[in-house]
Amino acid sequence: DADVTQTPRNRITKTGKRIMLECSQTKGHDRMYWYRQDPGLGLRLIYYSFDVKDINKGEISDGYSVSRQAQAKFSLSLESAIPNQTALYFCATSDPGGYTFGSGTRLTVV
Amino acid sequence: GQNIDQPTEMTATEGAIVQINCTYQTSGFNGLFWYQQHAGEAPTFLSYNVLDGLEEKGRFSSFLSRSKGYSYLLLKELQMKDSASYLCAVNIDYKLSFGAGTTVTVRA
Repeated sequence: DADVTQTPRNRITKTGKRIMLECSQTKGHDRMYWYRQDPGLGLRLIYYSFDVKDINKGEISDGYSVSRQAQAKFSLSLESAIPNQTALYFCATSDPGGYTFGSGTRLTVV
Repeated sequence: GQNIDQPTEMTATEGAIVQINCTYQTSGFNGLFWYQQHAGEAPTFLSYNVLDGLEEKGRFSSFLSRSKGYSYLLLKELQMKDSASYLCAVNIDYKLSFGAGTTVTVRA
């Protein structure tokens, strides 16, 4: 099993719909992150959490919310999806040894 | 915001050497990572530099100069499978800030 698991792997949704992307990890790491990747822009930080009771906005948090349900689970929600949220989304965890990325969720908003 | 720059694209021949430069101007610095990423896949770890100097790991080497805000990733004995994007990322307060990535194409 993967250390960091993202579901779904691919999703197509309609404009205005609410959608949740889920991330779970077996690394036992406290720190978790959500990034989005767009062509030519690299990965940009949406939200991050350093423990279960800690939630912080990243550089592009508008239009997104998160929930840290447990140390192992960190979900990302789009309350009302819009086409410019079409992107590849990555969840990651970290400890002093480095970062581990999930396989990504490709989201298309039509 | 953070400013992390790397070239957009590079092309090299199989068996050759390619050097990917990364410059950064950031508020804080706790180390610099290099990742390899194939299209549609997760980034995979290549190297991590915290102190100045060269780190060598097989065909890949990474260099850091903190005073110059500069790093490079050196890929030697290029293979076709090295065709990918290479991401420079600065670790700041336990968060990664990424450059836009450099797409390397290896030609036979």
